[in-house]
Formats: sequence, structure tokens, C-alpha cells
Amino acid sequence: DAGVIQSPRHEVTEMGQEVTLRCKPISGHNSLFWYRQTMMRGLELLIYFNNNVPIDDSGMPEDRFSAKMPNASFSTLKIQPSEPRDSAVYFCASRSVDGTGYNEQFFGPGTRLTVL
Amino acid sequence: AQSVAQPEDQVNVAEGNPLTVKCTYSVSGNPYLFWYVQYPNRGLQFLLKYITGDNLVKGSYGFEAEFNKSQTSFHLKKPSALVSDSALYFCAVRDHGSGNTGKLIFGQGTTLQVKP
Repeated sequence: DAGVIQSPRHEVTEMGQEVTLRCKPISGHNSLFWYRQTMMRGLELLIYFNNNVPIDDSGMPEDRFSAKMPNASFSTLKIQPSEPRDSAVYFCASRSVDGTGYNEQFFGPGTRLTVL
Repeated sequence: AQSVAQPEDQVNVAEGNPLTVKCTYSVSGNPYLFWYVQYPNRGLQFLLKYITGDNLVKGSYGFEAEFNKSQTSFHLKKPSALVSDSALYFCAVRDHGSGNTGKLIFGQGTTLQVKP
């Protein structure tokens, strides 16, 4: 398996532009998580989905952030408009739900976002 | 409230010496505990987990962790450190309030520096 795939790996944009980050979870996994990592705040959970349904978006910082999961093999995180303080590494992770909660999450390589 | 604490921002050890990265937790119910490692410019990689059973859990790359219920700790250990073990280590506990979705609460991370 190719693991969790994220694109792009690097994104540089200007303040005010729309940014879309993409994630393909591991096939068969039915939970998907979006995280943000910065030096100041560490690793933050933004939102997570179970069976394509958003379960908890309380970590989404502002209305400028939105996430979708139209099917089991694709999710997007969109920032519109982007601001310099959104600069961070964004990770996607997936796991298979087996009814126990024991299974670990598998992380993608991340997207490094720089907003100028 | 459920939480995870990693009391050391950085741990320095000499190559060949044993290493310990500390983690304490606070949860309601039985703890499901995880360790992840993050190498520079990479996503988090799963190392090991404790669900139930033996208090000493063995994982990848020669790492192990000891679950101690009375001290609410889950310290990561390795008998002989390698320079290549230098990385950022995260302890995490499953959020019982999230059902079986597998949402994790992460510690702030500990940087391990192994010197030759």
C-alpha cells in the first residue's frame, strides 16, 4: 500500500489566495483526520471524519477553514482567504475502524504551507 | 479532562546509552496509549501501543514502553540509543469521549538528541 498520500507537498501562496490541500487515505480506512503542526502550538487536530461524515470540527480555527470528504478515498482542506498565520505543516491521517478504537492512525508526509 | 504530558522538551543521550522519554496521562476509563516518532520533514510514524495485557510493550526499531497504572505513566525506552534515533517523539492517548473513531490526544512532543 502506498500509505496516506497528500498533495501538494509544498505550497507557497500570497495572503488572500485560496489554498486547497488534498488527502487520499489508505484504502479500507474509514476514519480521516486533519492536523496542523507549528513550532508555537505543536500538533493540533483540526477536524476528523468517520465514514465520510465530519464528526468534530471544533479544532478548525476560523470560518476561513473548511474540509470535505466527498468519498472514502479523498478529502480536501480549504483555506479561503489564506493569511500568513496559516503557515504550517498540515498532516492528514487515516485509520480503520474496527469497533474497538484500538487501531493506530497512519500519517501522510504532510503539506508545508507558506503564506506570504 | 483527558490529557497527556511529556515533561521534557528535549532529552540528550550518548550513543550506546539507554534512553527514556517520559509520558504521563490522565483519562477516564482504561487508557489506550500510543507512541509516535517524527523524523525531520516527515509525517508521524507509529512506534507502539498499549491496549491491555503485559505492561511492557515492544515496538518498532527496538523501542519499548512500560505502562504503569499507579503512576499513570507510559515511558518510552530503548536499551542502547543510536544517532539515527534522533527525532521528535509524541505520546498520545485515545480520547474516550470520541467513541471508536480513534481520536487521539497528543502530548507536546519531546526532542531526542543522540550524540555520537
